[in-house]
Amino acid sequence: DAGITQSPRHKVTETGTPVTLRCHQTENHRYMYWYRQDPGHGLRLIHYSYGVKDTDKGEVSDGYSVSRSKTEDFLLTLESATSSQTSVYFCATEGQLAGGASEQYFGPGTRLTVT
Amino acid sequence: SQKIEQNSEALNIQEGKTATLTCNYTNYSPAYLQWYRQDPGRGPVFLLLIRENEKEKRKERLKVTFDTTLKQSLFHITASQPADSATYLCAMNYGGSQGNLIFGKGTKLSVKP
Repeated sequence: DAGITQSPRHKVTETGTPVTLRCHQTENHRYMYWYRQDPGHGLRLIHYSYGVKDTDKGEVSDGYSVSRSKTEDFLLTLESATSSQTSVYFCATEGQLAGGASEQYFGPGTRLTVT
Repeated sequence: SQKIEQNSEALNIQEGKTATLTCNYTNYSPAYLQWYRQDPGRGPVFLLLIRENEKEKRKERLKVTFDTTLKQSLFHITASQPADSATYLCAMNYGGSQGNLIFGKGTKLSVKP
């Protein structure tokens, strides 16, 4: 493992409440990503970060915000959780390969249920 | 918009046979394709990367090909074992951050003893 932890690992919350998921890495990787994984959709990018305080939107960013105040931490916030945000959320960091390509290292995931 | 597809949701094979998984992409010419393995309840794990100027890449019992004319990558596991049973994801890079990836939905491989 590339030293990526996610917390909490499981969470049940009610519709309309704010939720924050945390990703922590020990690899000093510059790029970090938040994905959601749903049956029939695969992994979809929510937001990513290319440095401290530098973030950008992914494919499915509506209803989500992120923050990165330190290299090692990347937070994902659901501002007002909805049932459609029930999913498994994965954090990933990017490691460099020779020749300019990169691979991604994934955390263990957070299973979020919105009731 | 760019798309990546894995045609088979599931593949069942007998131990010892070669598993072949297919990944097709459209509306883009990726600089490289990647393959990941995902076990139930865990995050994906990187296996192999192949660049557009490479026809084939091998790693132990794994082989990946990249055909830019067919817009297709094939992932082979030779002498398959029950421990190879997992979901395999292909991914391609796209514009923007060099690491931004689009993932296929995955193929669940089951290797029967």
